[in-house]
Formats: sequence, structure tokens, C-alpha cells
Amino acid sequence: EPEVTQTPSHQVTQMGQEVILRCVPISNHLYFYWYRQILGQKVEFLVSFYNNEISEKSEIFDDQFSVERPDGSNFTLKIRSTKLEDSAMYFCASSAGLINTEAFFGQGTRLTVV
Amino acid sequence: GENVEQHPSTLSVQEGDSAVIKCTYSDSASNYFPWYKQELGKGPQLIIDIRSNVGEKKDQRIAVTLNKTAKHFSLHITETQPEDSAVYFCAASNGYSTLTFGKGTMLLVSP
Repeated sequence: EPEVTQTPSHQVTQMGQEVILRCVPISNHLYFYWYRQILGQKVEFLVSFYNNEISEKSEIFDDQFSVERPDGSNFTLKIRSTKLEDSAMYFCASSAGLINTEAFFGQGTRLTVV
Repeated sequence: GENVEQHPSTLSVQEGDSAVIKCTYSDSASNYFPWYKQELGKGPQLIIDIRSNVGEKKDQRIAVTLNKTAKHFSLHITETQPEDSAVYFCAASNGYSTLTFGKGTMLLVSP
């Protein structure tokens, strides 16, 4: 069964450092998403990406965040200067379409900022 | 924007009992309502979804009901088993945008 894969599974970084979280969406999917989940809280939308550009972003997704699809298979989330409050589980998701289609989630990257 | 409320936050049942988790939403334009199951250390996995043109949908031991007038939808799990223990999230979407999740319900099924 096709799945979304994320690397690394756990990333520890010092405050102020840059991190890149990587995702390989399902191969024939066209829409890509990043969500995050702070420990014990709900899953929150960060950004959606289609046709090599951001289609929607939340208030959380400020100038410290960026996304990129550097090649035909990877989808990355970069945090330029990490803050303690960026510590969370980050989930990548992809879907074949936009309208009422299932979003498949990866297993997540746990980011710990110290 | 959309706001999704989910209750209860924790639910403990005995194996074989039924479990019901309820969600309300605020945006009347929402028309797609998936439910996700999240096991420890894993990402959310879709278990069932419902669209606004139907009121109920079943898949074996799992069912979802939708009341568009009242803006609420519920997940029903019958004959619960220990492997049903997980965190369950409801979500809502207007079909053209991303998912807004509830806060989650931790379901514990005791043998």
C-alpha cells in the first residue's frame, strides 16, 4: 500500500538553528500539506502546496517557515531560526485531489528545540 | 474560519461495549467530515469519512452520523476491542481547503 514517508523520525536542534524536515508524498498525488501537533494538542494546519506553489497557509506559517519541492519526489519544510515553541510533531500529508479526497498522513517528525 | 469542538477528551469502555465520540463545527460551508485514528508514534490514519449529502455511513463496526442542521457529527464504534484503543480525531473541510481538526479523544478499551 502506498504511504507517505517522513525523515527524520526525531530531530533535536538548538534554538536559532535551521531545520529541514523531509517528506516523500505518495507518487501520484498532487496536493501536499504540512500539519503540526504540539504535545497534547490538536493537529493544526500549516500550509498546502500545489503546482509548485503555496495554495494556502495558516497564521502559524510565518516568514520563518518555507516549503519546497526540490525534485519530483521530495517535499520539504524548512524552519529558518527555530524557537522553543516550534517543538512539536510535524506531519506531512498528500492527497490525489483537492475536493473531498482523502489526505494520507506520514508517521511524523518529532522536532525538539532545546 | 472553521472551529471544530470534540467531546469527550477521554473515553474508557469495556471490551464489547460501544463508544461514541461527538464533534460540532461552526462553518456551514463545511461538507466533508473525516475521522482519523492515531496510534502511539504514528500519523493520523483515515478510518471513515462522510460527505454532506448523506446522513449516515457504516463500515463494519464503525459508523458516522451527520446532522447538518445542528452542525454536528458523531463516530460510533460497536463491539469495541482493545486494538481500538487510540486517539481519534474528527475534522471538517469545506472541500476546497484544508482540514480543521478537533482536539482528539483518547479511547481506552479495557479487556
